[in-house]
Amino acid sequence: DAKTTQPTSMDCAEGRAANLPCNHSTISGNEYVYWYRQIHSQGPQYIIHGLKNNETNEMASLIITEDRKSSTLILPHATLRDTAVYYCIVRSRSQGNLIFGKGTKLSVKP
Amino acid sequence: EPEVTQTPSHQVTQMGQEVILRCVPISNHLYFYWYRQILGQKVEFLVSFYNNEISEKSEIFDDQFSVERPDGSNFTLKIRSTKLEDSAMYFCASKGGLADNEQFFGPGTRLTVL
Repeated sequence: DAKTTQPTSMDCAEGRAANLPCNHSTISGNEYVYWYRQIHSQGPQYIIHGLKNNETNEMASLIITEDRKSSTLILPHATLRDTAVYYCIVRSRSQGNLIFGKGTKLSVKP
Repeated sequence: EPEVTQTPSHQVTQMGQEVILRCVPISNHLYFYWYRQILGQKVEFLVSFYNNEISEKSEIFDDQFSVERPDGSNFTLKIRSTKLEDSAMYFCASKGGLADNEQFFGPGTRLTVL
């Protein structure tokens, strides 16, 4: 089973920041936090990952708490095309497969 | 930008028939995966493949399933005798190396078993 807990759904206004939380209280020292998203019926898409430092790329920012028990994915200026299911996944880098939970269904509204 | 491709996009078959789902991973990638997603449910891991052999498989991946990399470019998933409950989206993914972080997913094949 997935080691993470995420809200089932969230809404966000277009142009505003979307902040998606994830709890991973049982994360171990060698495990990373990964975020993927799945736009309706398409294949999942990698967004970002991190170990303990905050990370930023062209798609999003990842904020990880100091105790590493939770994190937040930030889409700084959400667009309608960001409407998707967002998955927070905890795994070690050597682990092959991804274990998906139910994720958060983000709806970006005009 | 390189991408994973899958064919066909939609496959309809009769129960008990064999199906082969095809994937072309990103060139030079070494790790290959199959996942499935039953309509309305979670994405589930099926199998991973490296160095021409299965490296990991889930309990879903029973004797009815097999994978093969018949040449340098294709990666296939075969279901020997399809059941109604095999109806799902099947996603192929590939990753460059062990230390690489990102799995690249294909667009999926929708399998409908009648």
